[in-house]
Amino acid sequence: QKEVEQNSGPLSVPEGAIASLNCTYSDRGSQSFFWYRQYSGKSPELIMFIYSNGDKEDGRFTAQLNKASQYVSLLIRDSQPSDSATYLCAVLNRDDKIIFGKGTRLHILP
Amino acid sequence: DTAVSQTPKYLVTQMGNDKSIKCEQNLGHDTMYWYKQDSKKFLKIMFSYNNKELIINETVPNRFSPKSPDKAHLNLHINSLELGDSAVYFCASSQDFRQGAEKLFFGSGTQLSVL
Repeated sequence: QKEVEQNSGPLSVPEGAIASLNCTYSDRGSQSFFWYRQYSGKSPELIMFIYSNGDKEDGRFTAQLNKASQYVSLLIRDSQPSDSATYLCAVLNRDDKIIFGKGTRLHILP
Repeated sequence: DTAVSQTPKYLVTQMGNDKSIKCEQNLGHDTMYWYKQDSKKFLKIMFSYNNKELIINETVPNRFSPKSPDKAHLNLHINSLELGDSAVYFCASSQDFRQGAEKLFFGSGTQLSVL
């Protein structure tokens, strides 16, 4: 079973702090990795993607990939109340399927 | 302009009925998908089509039948609806799955409630 695992949370982080979201995946042949944000009652929205080992930064967001450990993370710096949402990790596996984790609910505390 | 639009937004129906959900994308993408999100927010792929050709067909009851009349449209027809079909169904599109970098653009979802 090719899976993507995330802690469901909720993860509570004070405003202005760094929120760290983690994801592991089982298929070593996975090629591409994505983070989607989903507000309650809304559709998922792509916020970051990463293909190579290491870090990728975009504004307040940093995606980190470690293929040897089969681990992807998302860091959100200077967390804002508007960052409160469910964050879905998604992986493109060798079967050309995008598999989603069950998401981590993030609460930013004002 | 809405990039991926699906209708209806809400669908309430009785068990045993047949219903359809329509999806259209104006992004010029080649690949379209149907995902199901259950009450625990787990998003699971059902089908994907690339340029009208079925490429992914997950273990989905054959009561679910997708149809792609052209690459901009992917509809989902569901026969003999069951209580367990209640969920949010998302349509999505991506440029071309064969490029190996699938960034999904989602529609706003259809909340299906089977009574």
